[in-house]
Parts: sequence; C-alpha cells; structure tokens
Amino acid sequence: GQQVMQIPQYQHVQEGEDFTTYCNSSTTLSNIQWYKQRPGGHPVFLIQLVKSGEVKKQKRLTFQFGEAKKNSSLHITATQTTDVGTYFCAGSRGSYGKLTFGQGTILTVHP
Amino acid sequence: DVKVTQSSRYLVKRTGEKVFLECVQDMDHENMFWYRQDPGLGLRLIYFSYDVKMKEKGDIPEGYSVSREKKERFSLILESASTNQTSMYLCATIYRGTEAFFGQGTRLTVV
Repeated sequence: GQQVMQIPQYQHVQEGEDFTTYCNSSTTLSNIQWYKQRPGGHPVFLIQLVKSGEVKKQKRLTFQFGEAKKNSSLHITATQTTDVGTYFCAGSRGSYGKLTFGQGTILTVHP
Repeated sequence: DVKVTQSSRYLVKRTGEKVFLECVQDMDHENMFWYRQDPGLGLRLIYFSYDVKMKEKGDIPEGYSVSREKKERFSLILESASTNQTSMYLCATIYRGTEAFFGQGTRLTVV
C-alpha cells in the first residue's frame, strides 16, 4: 500500500533559526496536506497542495509540492516558541478522502 | 466551526474487556475515520465509513470493529482489549477530500 515517509523525526532549534521537514510518498499523490499538532492537542489542518510544483506561503511557513507529486516540504523561517509541536504531512489517496500520514516531525524551539 | 467530539479524553481498561470509543460530528459529513497515533508511527488508519452502515477497513483493522448507525456518530469497538492497543485514538471527519477535522483524542491505556 501507499507509504508516506517523513524526516526528520525530531528537530531541535534555537529560536530564530529556520526549520524544514520533508515528506516522500511511494506513489503519486492527488494532493498533500499538512497538519500541526500542539503538545497535548489534536492535529489541526494547515494547508492543502494540489498542483505539481505548487508553492504556498502562510506568513513564515512555506509549503512546496514536488513536480512529480510524490514529495513535499514545509519550511519555517525564523522559528518562534509558538511553532513548537508535531508537523504531519498527509497524502490523499483514492476516494472518500482517505489520508495516509507521515510519521511526523517533532519540533522543539529553545528560547 | 466543525465540531468533532470524542466521548472520553482518558480511559483505562483491563485486558479482555470490550471497549467502545464514541465519536460525534455536527457537520453532516459523510466520511468519518478512526486513526490511532503512536510515537514514531504517525497516524494509522483503522477503519473508515463513507455512509450510514457502510464501513471499510483501513490499514490496521485487526482487533477492531466499527459501527455507524447514524450519520453523526461513528463508534470504534475493541472486541477484547489487549495491551498492544494502548494508544491515542483520533476520530476525524473529512468533507469531499478537503481538510480533516479531528476530535480531541482518547488516550486509552489497557492494563
């Protein structure tokens, strides 16, 4: 079945440093979504990318979808302590909107 | 705002017990999902339902069953709880292939 691999599993940064997490799928995706889960919370939707090569920005967050629609990345510029949490990518497959999640990247930001 | 409510935040059950996890959504979405979240493994799909009384197995259905008697309610059943089912369980609803809305999660401990 489809697999979505996400790296790194952990990332520790100093406040103000940049952060990137990468996502790779074993199959072509119809779209990819990104979620953030704060400690003790549940995943919350950040964005969906649909088109090959798509780049979207949300303030300090930049999301990219690869040309082959098999990989994606999330980059945070100048991290803040409010960025702490686990970031998941999720590939959409088949009908009904089933999502296959990556393992997640746990981001720690040291003040 | 979409609201997805899970019946319990924390549960402790004994090995061999039958366990019911309840999820209710208020947005009339057809598709509902049960995931379990474990460290380093991300979110894995257990079962999903695309309509009342309709269900399909996800990636890790063994030891679980589901029930969807009404559109707004999707229940996950652990027929005979085992210690390897200790996990965080997340219910989600997805509308037409767009973002997933998650409940707050149920942290189940089987002793």
